[in-house]
Amino acid sequence: SYVLNQPPSVSVAPGKTARITCGGNNIGSKSVHWYQQKPGQAPVLVIYYDSDRPSGIPERFSGSNSGNTATLTISRVEAGDEADYYCQVWDRSFDEGVFGTGTKVTVL
Amino acid sequence: EVQLVESGGGLVEPGGSLRLSCAASGFTFSAYSMNWVRQAPGKGLEWVSCISGFSDFIYYADSMKGRFTISRDNAKNSLYLQMNSLRAEDTAVYYCARDLGQQPNLHWFDPWGQGTLVTVSS
Repeated sequence: SYVLNQPPSVSVAPGKTARITCGGNNIGSKSVHWYQQKPGQAPVLVIYYDSDRPSGIPERFSGSNSGNTATLTISRVEAGDEADYYCQVWDRSFDEGVFGTGTKVTVL
Repeated sequence: EVQLVESGGGLVEPGGSLRLSCAASGFTFSAYSMNWVRQAPGKGLEWVSCISGFSDFIYYADSMKGRFTISRDNAKNSLYLQMNSLRAEDTAVYYCARDLGQQPNLHWFDPWGQGTLVTVSS
């Protein structure tokens, strides 16, 4: 089945930019979606269809996808952005959902 | 307001069965596919199953095929997950999530319920 790899952790200072990668074989040919999960809470969609933001998600969150890597970028990072982030695709070959391994973002 | 509320979790012995429910409100339930996603304690998200609006398409993760059955009752705005032959490794919080993809190759999940904890242990 399809595998999505993410770095276990990313640390960033407040006000700086965090970039979270999601690696997969030819992931650029798939649509990638991103979720934020804070401790004890359900995941929340922050980016869908590679780069679209749901209503209510700050413009500081953006996404891109090309080649073998998709990236979630969080600009002007705030303390409230500290959370786990997961990428997700649909593997049409096996008709199944696939989540990345998850990245813990720590705001220094 | 769109809302999903799971129920039915609890403690079950290995080999046992459990049926989870997800009550939906605030949207036209039959117009959307629905999914179950689980998360073992301290671990990442794992997709479990998807069912289309009128149950004509159903998909499962390989490790759940043959043991788990997803179903829905559009008249009751409810989603279900029947879990049989449960194992310790099925211990997780189980979330239901609405599917916004609306196309065969596009599935993304929003919103999610608060989850229900299933513990498989003797």
